[in-house]
Parts: sequence; C-alpha cells; structure tokens
Amino acid sequence: EVQLLESGGGLVQPGVSLRLSCAASGFTFTTYAMTWVRQAPGKGLEWVSTISGSGGSTYYAASVKGRFIISRDNSKNTLYLQMNGLRAEDTAVYYCAKDGYCSSTTCYYYYAMDVWGQGTTVTVSS
Amino acid sequence: DIQMTQSPSSLSASVGDRVTITCRASQGINNYLAWYQQKPGKVPNLLIYAASTLQSGVPSRFSGSGSGTDFTLTISSLQPEDVATYYCQKYNSAPPWTFGQGTKVEIK
Repeated sequence: EVQLLESGGGLVQPGVSLRLSCAASGFTFTTYAMTWVRQAPGKGLEWVSTISGSGGSTYYAASVKGRFIISRDNSKNTLYLQMNGLRAEDTAVYYCAKDGYCSSTTCYYYYAMDVWGQGTTVTVSS
Repeated sequence: DIQMTQSPSSLSASVGDRVTITCRASQGINNYLAWYQQKPGKVPNLLIYAASTLQSGVPSRFSGSGSGTDFTLTISSLQPEDVATYYCQKYNSAPPWTFGQGTKVEIK
C-alpha cells in the first residue's frame, strides 16, 4: 500500500525555523517527484514546493521562495521541508503528495498528485 | 503565472441532481488539469487527471471534460457522500502548480 506520513509540525513563534518530514512507503520513492501543498485554516489549497526524483530540480511558490527549502533523502525514502523565518501567514496544514514520474533525465507530470499524506499542522503565533 | 478561476464558489443541489463546476485557466494548459475532492476534515483526493481521465476507484458519476482554457467537472447524480469542496489544479509540464479557489458543494 502506498503511504505518506508527515511529521514535524507544531506551534512556533514568528521568525523561528521548523523542519517537516514525509516518510514514504509502498512505491519506488526515487522515481517520483514529490510536492508540498498547504491549507490555511478555512482556506483553499496552496502549492508550496516540488522536488524531482533525484532532487536535482526544485521549485517554489513565490510566497515561500528564499525562506523554505525542499529536499529529499532517497536512501531513507523521506521528503523534507525546511521552513525558516516563519510568519503568521505560514500557519496551515502541510500535506506531502506523490507527484510526477521521473526518469533519469526528466519528470512527467501527467498523472497529477495521486497520493497525499494526512497532513501536519504548523501554527505560527507569538 | 497561470491563474485558475473556478465557478461557482458554492452550490446547493438536491440528491440526484446533475452538478457542474467550471474551471478556467488564464492561458492554455492543454489537458493538464486535475480535479480533487476534499470532504470536511479530510485529505484531498484525486478524482480526475488529464482533464477527463477518472482516477482508479472513483465512482463513474464523476466526469471531466475540456481542453485549453475551459474545463468542467460533472457529477451526474449527486449523492450525500459527495458533499465536499472541489478544487481544480493545473499542472502543465513543470511547476509551478496552481489550484482554483474551490467550489463547496452542499445538499439542498
């Protein structure tokens, strides 16, 4: 069974850092791009960041670029999101999702995000 | 960046009704369009990808159509378990991805 399990959320003060993790199982992790999506309380879905299967390509939403870093450890089947300089507006449930299929040279995003984790909650407040 | 606009933002319909939600892209995205269902308090669930391909396990009353800039999600016969918020998402050939603002579907 394909599973994604996020962890690392919590209540933090503005300006601090936090690292989220997403443990994957049930599929060949290294051959899939992975994405973080967040949802602020009562709001819609917001794409945050995507990383290719090899980790060689990363993409960020303008709202987090320069503050968040996406990475992955394919030996541990784990995705990460390092969040620095947290702001109140970063308060959200953060989901990781399995994304496009990646060959050795490129990723193909035809099938969209077909598996999502249960989410981890980040609250930024003083 | 490409913007995605959904309409309506909410709707109320009776059980058995045909329900249609539209999603418009600010630029052409071929058929790189997905629809997700998020039930209250739950994780988003992929319903349709490539504009019209039903994800495995999704009931056949759901269907998608469109290409280019205009897309539609249709529920042929609304059921009580379909109460949810529905999101479109464009995913092109590479990020950034963009979601529509969501359409909340309720039972009348």
